[in-house]
Amino acid sequence: AQKVTQAQTEISVVEKEDVTLDCVYETRDTTYYLFWYKQPPSGELVFLIRRNSFDEQNEISGRYSWNFQKSTSSFNFTITASQVVDSAVYFCALSEVYGGSNYKLTFGKGTLLTVNP
Amino acid sequence: DVKVTQSSRYLVKRTGEKVFLECVQDMDHENMFWYRQDPGLGLRLIYFSYDVKMKEKGDIPEGYSVSREKKERFSLILESASTNQTSMYLCASSLSWGNQPQHFGDGTRLSIL
Repeated sequence: AQKVTQAQTEISVVEKEDVTLDCVYETRDTTYYLFWYKQPPSGELVFLIRRNSFDEQNEISGRYSWNFQKSTSSFNFTITASQVVDSAVYFCALSEVYGGSNYKLTFGKGTLLTVNP
Repeated sequence: DVKVTQSSRYLVKRTGEKVFLECVQDMDHENMFWYRQDPGLGLRLIYFSYDVKMKEKGDIPEGYSVSREKKERFSLILESASTNQTSMYLCASSLSWGNQPQHFGDGTRLSIL
């Protein structure tokens, strides 16, 4: 079975600090997809990024960056110069093939990030 | 923008009641999903559907059923609500390919008294 581990349950930082959220996954699939979602206090999960297993390039989007390392089965997420609005629960997720051609997601338990002013 | 709408933001029901949670998406997505979210447990998949009238059990289907009579609507049914089903319920939809992100509704916080 697939598994996603987010070892950090809660992280607290002061505004402008950099913070990295860890995600480690397990899968037997050779083709798979990894995702990060943000859940602010309002409750709705917001999609942040998708990465497929064949693309190990790191990605940067503004203050956000993602480091995908297949060798260590990790897909870590870094927020640079954190802001109070970054406070949220962040989920890492892994897609799993189901029934030959369909997919479903396995989520990690999430990391609660609190950015203090 | 994809819009996934859940019928209620908050809901209070009594033990033994039959409870319906409704979810509608407006982007013609093939796939729809129901999750529950509990502190310390993350999101757990209850049921999902890849097409109209099709359903598949997720990781925790016991005590739940679903209905998908139309492509845009996916209903979660608690046949006889129990207190351990008090939770946040999240609906999501996506296109059919594995690399497509799921889009989520705002969630329904359900309390069973």
